[in-house]
Amino acid sequence: DAKTTQPPSMDCAEGRAANLPCNHSTISGNEYVYWYRQIHSQGPQYIIHGLKNNETNEMASLIITEDRKSSTLILPHATLRDTAVYYCIVRVAGGKLIFGQGTELSVKP
Amino acid sequence: GAGVSQSPRYKVAKRGQDVALRCDPISGHVSLFWYQQALGQGPEFLTYFQNEAQLDKSGLPSDRFFAERPEGSVSTLKIQRTQQEDSAVYLCASSPYMAGEGQPQHFGDGTRLSIL
Repeated sequence: DAKTTQPPSMDCAEGRAANLPCNHSTISGNEYVYWYRQIHSQGPQYIIHGLKNNETNEMASLIITEDRKSSTLILPHATLRDTAVYYCIVRVAGGKLIFGQGTELSVKP
Repeated sequence: GAGVSQSPRYKVAKRGQDVALRCDPISGHVSLFWYQQALGQGPEFLTYFQNEAQLDKSGLPSDRFFAERPEGSVSTLKIQRTQQEDSAVYLCASSPYMAGEGQPQHFGDGTRLSIL
């Protein structure tokens, strides 16, 4: 199963962009990259996903390298409410999500 | 409600008791997943249903764990003869179609199970 590597923690100043990196060097050609976040005592919240092209929605942007071995989630203007654990996940055949340890993002005033 | 609903939110049981955890997926969602999340860890896959068919149960840790979705909507995860290592948050997720690509899973807030 493809796995991901993320830094365990990051800080970001409120109002600045948060750039969260993820390595997925063993990703297969047909596997998507998904990003979820989890706030304490809640279930994971879907943010964005992509296959090859960069993606943007109302929450974030996803930048995937050309070789697909890494990606970056960008929160353009971080707020205190964005403080959470962010998971980068490669979805495997059969649909199950394989979560890693994630990155604990702390947005500071 | 519009989201995935799980009940109870909290469950305390004595070691050796049986427990049943319920998941109400988003209406009309074909795929349903169960995950287990230990304290401080990311969620781990347990099992997957497509409608009423259990297509993948490779993540169930032992034969004490059993899941069903008899009518293709509500699902129940049952744990028999609970042990302390079963203490965790049990998360349910659903998605609209078969477990193909491009369909995000939507999670409930989980059931926190504590075994004394």
